[in-house]
Amino acid sequence: EADIYQTPRYLVIGTGKKITLECSQTMGHDKMYWYQQDPGMELHLIHYSYGVNSTEKGDLSSESTVSRIRTEHFPLTLESARPSHTSQYLCASSESADSGVGQFFGPGTRLTVL
Amino acid sequence: KNQVEQSPQSLIILEGKNCTLQCNYTVSPFSNLRWYKQDTGRGPVSLTIMTFSENTKSNGRYTATLDADTKQSSLHITASQLSDSASYICVVSDRGSTLGRLYFGRGTQLTVWP
Repeated sequence: EADIYQTPRYLVIGTGKKITLECSQTMGHDKMYWYQQDPGMELHLIHYSYGVNSTEKGDLSSESTVSRIRTEHFPLTLESARPSHTSQYLCASSESADSGVGQFFGPGTRLTVL
Repeated sequence: KNQVEQSPQSLIILEGKNCTLQCNYTVSPFSNLRWYKQDTGRGPVSLTIMTFSENTKSNGRYTATLDADTKQSSLHITASQLSDSASYICVVSDRGSTLGRLYFGRGTQLTVWP
């Protein structure tokens, strides 16, 4: 079934830990995105990728890094988590050309850094 | 600067009633406008997408309108159900880059009471 997955769904971790948020999609989409969303606020783009070995920073500055070694996989890594990283992280994907379908979003990862 | 403004910020209605959510934008050049539904703790799900030439589009009980001249859109929900309780996000895409940058509103939090 074509879908986009994120793991873990919830993560509570201590300051200074390294974490990786996983995102996988089975739709064969070239474009993938990471957004950060605080409660009641709009989504902010922090990373995007046009395809394998392509990654770019988004509008919102983030200390996280991403990689795109495989089309279907777009993990996000925080080398040293801090309380300011507490937020919801949403992964999305879309087709190369804007077919009008829009971006498909994963369920999100709710990260809490203590 | 947020170029997509939504109103009201929150709305409570009784089950079975209709409601209309508003979206005003200043994004230019305009490519398309999308309405997403986001359940609490979940990723956004696309409801409708409209391009410049479209002024109305329906998806079941959801009907979106677009006035590209006044840069306004509305989402009308008919015969509301408890499951309609969610945040409704207006997203506008520009044509200024290959990425087709997305501008997100902060959403309208809709609560449907029995």
